[in-house]
Amino acid sequence: SYVLTQPPSVSVAPGQTARITCGGKKIGDKSVHWYRLKPDQAPVLVVHDDSDRPSGIPERFSGSNSGNTATLTISRVEAGDGADYYCQVWDDKTDQRLFGGGTKLTVL
Amino acid sequence: QVQLQESGPGLVKPSGTLSLSCAVSGGSISTNDWWTWVRQPPGKGLEWIGEVYHTGSTNFNPSLKSRVTMSVDKSKNQISLTLSSVTAADTAIYYCARESAALSLACMDIWGKGTAVTVSS
Repeated sequence: SYVLTQPPSVSVAPGQTARITCGGKKIGDKSVHWYRLKPDQAPVLVVHDDSDRPSGIPERFSGSNSGNTATLTISRVEAGDGADYYCQVWDDKTDQRLFGGGTKLTVL
Repeated sequence: QVQLQESGPGLVKPSGTLSLSCAVSGGSISTNDWWTWVRQPPGKGLEWIGEVYHTGSTNFNPSLKSRVTMSVDKSKNQISLTLSSVTAADTAIYYCARESAALSLACMDIWGKGTAVTVSS
């Protein structure tokens, strides 16, 4: 089955740029979505279809996808960006929705 | 603005059945959207459970398919999840989400806050 691999953790200082990767075989051929999870809050879609931002999501959030790696980039990181981030794709072979293992973003 | 609210018992006994509801407000459940359930066990990542369409059509995670039922109640504008023969491994926060027809396939644009379920005697 298709597997998405994320680093367990990423740390960044405020004002710097955080990059969270999502690896998968030929993931560049798929549409990747990214979600932010914070305790006791509803998960939030922050990027869809590789690089599109839903309304209300700051321009600091961007995404890219090519080859075997998709990347969520958060520029000018703020303390409030600290959260768990998950990538997700649709596996067309099985019609399943698959999530990566999640990455904990720590703002130092 | 569509909002989702999960509800159900917070404690279920082993071998019992877990039953949850997700109330949809601010919009109709009878649209071209699919309605999805996702869970997160303590200390672990997200797991897709399955989805249901307003017609009753469903699509489940193969690992859970034998134990899962999903349904739609149009009169109450809500969806339901039933998971049978539960074990401690089913302890998790359970989320419902909308898979928007306006966006890419399988993109979940609106989520509920989730409801915690513990399987224990």
